[in-house]
Amino acid sequence: GAVVSQHPSRVICKSGTSVKIECRSLDFQATTMFWYRQFPKQSLMLMATSNEGSKATYEQGVEKDKFLINHASLTLSTLTVTSAHPEDSSFYICSAPVPHGETQYFGPGTRLLVL
Amino acid sequence: DQQVKQNSPSLSVQEGRISILNCDYTNSMFDYFLWYKKYPAEGPTFLISISSIKDKNEDGRFTVFLNKSAKHLSLHIVPSQPGDSAVYFCAASSSNTGKLIFGQGTTLQVKP
Repeated sequence: GAVVSQHPSRVICKSGTSVKIECRSLDFQATTMFWYRQFPKQSLMLMATSNEGSKATYEQGVEKDKFLINHASLTLSTLTVTSAHPEDSSFYICSAPVPHGETQYFGPGTRLLVL
Repeated sequence: DQQVKQNSPSLSVQEGRISILNCDYTNSMFDYFLWYKKYPAEGPTFLISISSIKDKNEDGRFTVFLNKSAKHLSLHIVPSQPGDSAVYFCAASSSNTGKLIFGQGTTLQVKP
């Protein structure tokens, strides 16, 4: 069946560096993908909608210059956390809508730890 | 502004009994509701959904009930099994945006 993959699954970086997270749809195309962030024991918070061929749309309170999103192809969206700080440490999850459906497939998530 | 709320952070039930997880929402534009199951450090897995034109949807041991007038939905799991132990998120979306808004999650523990 359709699957969404994320890479890397886990990353540890120093404060001030940038980290790129990839989200790929396997076996299906996704003109739209979504990026979520989850802090421990909290809900999944939608950060932004990634749109293939156009700019991402960000939710209120999410800094677009800090969380750069690029939807370069119909199967790949990337989230780059720029100048990461310890407060950016979180679990980042992407999703893609099921073709011709109402639900979304979720990736396995990326655990980011900024030291 | 929490548009989707799961007011019970945790629930513990005995194996074989019914688990009832509740969810409330405030946005009347939501027209599709979903339940996801999530394990730590993994992405959510889709369980069951319901459209706003229905009030019940059943899939095996899982049944979702929707009460639009009360803006309330619930997930029933019967019989509950130890493997059902996980965090359950309800989510809502409106057809014009496609975005999912999640509740805070309820941790279900099914005791053998």
